[in-house]
Amino acid sequence: QSALTQPASVSGSPGQSITISCTGTSSDVGGYNYVSWYQQHPGKAPKLMIYDVSNRPSGVSNRFSGSKSGNTASLTISGLQAEDEADYYCSSYTSSSTLEVFGGGTKLTVL
Amino acid sequence: QVQLQESGPGLVKPSQTLSLTCTVSGGSISSGSYYWSWIRQPAGKGLEWIGRIYTSGSTNYNPSLKSRVTISVDTSKNQFSLKLSSVTAADTAVYYCARGLYDSSGYLGYWGQGTLVTVSS
Repeated sequence: QSALTQPASVSGSPGQSITISCTGTSSDVGGYNYVSWYQQHPGKAPKLMIYDVSNRPSGVSNRFSGSKSGNTASLTISGLQAEDEADYYCSSYTSSSTLEVFGGGTKLTVL
Repeated sequence: QVQLQESGPGLVKPSQTLSLTCTVSGGSISSGSYYWSWIRQPAGKGLEWIGRIYTSGSTNYNPSLKSRVTISVDTSKNQFSLKLSSVTAADTAVYYCARGLYDSSGYLGYWGQGTLVTVSS
């Protein structure tokens, strides 16, 4: 069982917006602004999409945005495109000795 | 642009030690102050953080694996390595190496392509 809880799947039509949630505790998501999101296409390595809750690395589309409220972080993808279909993982620093925890992943389907 | 490439045996017998190397190109592994990490992913499952080594040589490990894991750096070869002892079938996974996004960042900004390691007799 993953330390962070994500929905197993979400879906949306091209052009629409979707939001993926990531729920943790006050020891991880809620306690620090060290939340990140990774995109993974089948057979590929994950790609960092969001860090520090809401910052985008250079080259990542501004259609991707992140936010946090309490113990829940969220990734929003606006203007859905077919290429956004992938698995998405959240991650957070944790005060436990584990240091870094991932969510179980969310499969995004673009209808 | 830094690039990472994992290498090592694709098949390891149960109870033996899994050894993987990550070769870094496009920059020196000893320049800057970066975290160099290992992450794994069993087939069809999520990501698991294994551990990391800082440029200074200090290490952090996932407590669930700590007794079996060693991460080290070889600056002469511009590589860092993972050793996981006493492996079982549960250690079968794609293993990724990664570097921090920027100095002293734990965010996994640069990844290798991954290498599949199967534990089987």
